[in-house]
Amino acid sequence: DTVLTQSPALAVSPGERVSISCRASEGVNSYMHWYQQKPGQQPKLLIYKASNLASGVPARFSGSGSGTDFTLTIDPVEADDTATYFCQQTWNDPLTFGSGTKLEIK
Amino acid sequence: EVQLQQSGAELVKPGASVKLSCKTSGYTFSNYYMSWLKQMPGQNIEWIGNIFGGNGGAGYNQKFKGKATLTVDKSSSTAYMDLSSLTSEDSAVYFCARRGNWGYFDYWGQGVMVTVS
Repeated sequence: DTVLTQSPALAVSPGERVSISCRASEGVNSYMHWYQQKPGQQPKLLIYKASNLASGVPARFSGSGSGTDFTLTIDPVEADDTATYFCQQTWNDPLTFGSGTKLEIK
Repeated sequence: EVQLQQSGAELVKPGASVKLSCKTSGYTFSNYYMSWLKQMPGQNIEWIGNIFGGNGGAGYNQKFKGKATLTVDKSSSTAYMDLSSLTSEDSAVYFCARRGNWGYFDYWGQGVMVTVS
């Protein structure tokens, strides 16, 4: 299975820019997607196919990358962005998720 | 408005089975795949499998073959997942999610907690 590696946690202050990385163990073309999950809630799609903003998602969120290295950027960060962020690949079978990056807003 | 409404929390005994439901509205059920996913407390999300609303054709993650069985009822736009021979390792939150064109999940159910004890 394709393993997606994310850093476990980050802490930033409101108004700053934060980049969350996701590295795949093998190429996934541009079939990388990003989700935000708050405690007790279902995940919410933020970015699909590496760099496309999902409907209703603020333009503060953006995505980049291809192949094996991908980045989700939030600029500027707001207090409400406290959550865990997951990457997901759908190029290789089975589709897999990263272990998540917990973002803390100082 | 697209909505996926899952059934309530389940407490089941080891060795038993459970059937979870995901009732949809706001879109054409038969045009999309529905996936089921597992999330253990504080852990990663695992994809169990997906099923096409139009004909009930299903595909599974090898890890969950024999554990999960996916079905649909087109008449009520509802997807189901049967989990069998439950153990403590099956205690988790289970989500249904609509699968979009490139495999991402654009709409999710609220999740249902299954406790095996």
